[in-house]
This record gives sequence, C-alpha cells and structure tokens, in this order.
Amino acid sequence: LAKTTQPISMDSYEGQEVNITCSHNNIATNDYITWYQQFPSQGPRFIIQGYKTKVTNEVASLFIPADRKSSTLSLPRVSLSDTAVYYCLVGEDNQGGKLIFGQGTELSVKP
Amino acid sequence: DGGITQSPKYLFRKEGQNVTLSCEQNLNHDAMYWYRQDPGQGLRLIYYSQIVNDFQKGDIAEGYSVSREKKESFPLTVTSAQKNPTAFYLCAIGQGIGEAFFGQGTRLTVV
Repeated sequence: LAKTTQPISMDSYEGQEVNITCSHNNIATNDYITWYQQFPSQGPRFIIQGYKTKVTNEVASLFIPADRKSSTLSLPRVSLSDTAVYYCLVGEDNQGGKLIFGQGTELSVKP
Repeated sequence: DGGITQSPKYLFRKEGQNVTLSCEQNLNHDAMYWYRQDPGQGLRLIYYSQIVNDFQKGDIAEGYSVSREKKESFPLTVTSAQKNPTAFYLCAIGQGIGEAFFGQGTRLTVV
C-alpha cells in the first residue's frame, strides 16, 4: 500500500481557492487516488477519485500529474462550511482490501 | 446513515468489561470495516471483512474481536484486554475502488 503524506494543517479565507497536495511516491500502477472530507464527530465522506490527469465534480477538482507521485485536491471558492479534515487515500480495486487513512489535512476557513 | 447504521451513538463502559458495538448495513455490500479515531488523529483500521465468515486484522486489532456471520452485520467487541478503549469508532462499507461509506460512529467512554 502506497504511503501518503499531506500537510497537517492549512488556513484559508472565504471565497479563496484552496489546493491541498498529497505525496504518494510509491503509488502502484493499479492504484487509484481518493479524497475524503471529515467533519467533527462524523464519519469521512467521499469527495472525489481519480487515476490520472484531471477529474472534476460539483464539489472539487483533482489534479494528478503524469508521474502520479502526487495529487492535488482543489476546492474552489471555499466557505466556512468547508472547514474540515481532508484525507488522501491511495489503493487499488482489490474487492474490499485495506483502506488506510493517514493523518489528513485540517483545513480552517476564516471569514 | 443512508443504509449503514451504528448503534449506540454514545456508550459508557466500566473498566474490565467487554462491550459490543453494532454495525448494520442494507446496501448488500461485501466489504465492511472498523476504524478507531482518537481526538485530533486520523483513522486507524481495526478489522475488515471482505466476505461473510471471513475477516482480517487491521493495524490495531489487539484487544478487539469481530464476527461476520451475516452479510448485513459486522459487530465489534471491545474486550477488557484493550487498555485504552475510549475513542470514536467508525464502521464503513466498501463501495468499490478505494471508496468507503461510513456510519455515524459510536463514541465509547470508559468510566
């Protein structure tokens, strides 16, 4: 399983774009990259997933360079409600194998 | 939440007692997981199960036990051997490629 490294915390202001980068130098060929969001006292919630290049949904964008050794979650125009912990996971589709969460990045959005 | 139910939401246990946390799902998914989260920390994998009557240890299985007699149910027992059981416990189901759907969690406190 590829190990991931993220910044422990980030600060931002409302209306700004926030980019959180995750390093995964040992990513394997079959691995996908998945990001989760967690609010206090709740379970993490799936945000976005990708394999290469760029993925965009109604919540976020995920940028993955050609070497796939890192990925960047981009949150456009954040609001106070985006204050949460964001986790990057790397794993393959092995029908329910281990899902290992790292420490995550605590994002604080200020008025 | 949305097909996966953890109960109770809050649980108090006396030292030396075993306690069982419930996790039920009606989404017909094979993979189920148990995680522990301590304040300010990420999620740590306790046990996971890919199919009925089979389960594997995660990174912190000592002091815990599970069973998977039915596809819908994956209860976690916190035994007296777990020396520091006070934590937030999260159950999840696997939905394919690195994607998990979490319950609302059980907060266990030893008194």
